Amino acid sequence: GQQLNQSPQSMFIQEGEDVSMNCTSSSIFNTWLWYKQDPGEGPVLLIALYKAGELTSNGRLTAQFGITRKDSFLNISASIPSDVGIYFCAGQLKNSGGSNYKLTFGKGTLLTVNP
Amino acid sequence: NAGVTQTPKFRVLKTGQSMTLLCAQDMNHEYMYWYRQDPGMGLRLIHYSVGEGTTAKGEVPDGYNVSKKKKQNFLLGLESAAPSQTSVYFCASKNGGSDKTQYFGPGTRLLVL
Repeated sequence: GQQLNQSPQSMFIQEGEDVSMNCTSSSIFNTWLWYKQDPGEGPVLLIALYKAGELTSNGRLTAQFGITRKDSFLNISASIPSDVGIYFCAGQLKNSGGSNYKLTFGKGTLLTVNP
Repeated sequence: NAGVTQTPKFRVLKTGQSMTLLCAQDMNHEYMYWYRQDPGMGLRLIHYSVGEGTTAKGEVPDGYNVSKKKKQNFLLGLESAAPSQTSVYFCASKNGGSDKTQYFGPGTRLLVL
């Protein structure tokens, strides 16, 4: 199946630092979503992006839909301990053959914040 | 609204045993999904449903079956559990409109010995 390359796989940062992670693909996507998964919980949506070039913020989080439609990034500013978790990107392929209800997920970025 | 709920939360099986995982959603969503999550593998789609009584295979369907008799429920069955099916299973649902967002349940942790 289609792959999303998400990087980095893991990050260990100090409280207060900014964080950046991204997803790239060789395929074009119509939609990019960013989820966060807290330990022992299911993923929760953080930000949804629907247009190329779109830049959207949610509190200290900012995400952008790449102009080429093949990538997206997520930034977290001034990290705090509760930012700990796994961050997933997910996208819907442009040429999904009518399967506009399936998402392709990245493998996740594990974020650890040291107080 | 409870959103997406899953039962059980945790289960231990012996190889060869069968079990059914239940997913329920109260958001009147059209689409429902079963994923498994394994370390370093992200979320992999097992089966999904695009409407009542309609199901389809995902990326890793082997060893699993599903049932969608009611709009709000989606069942995942393991007929003969194998150690390779030890995983965390997540159910998700999505409405039928242009919103691509999938809403996830809290997960079922399954250990097959």
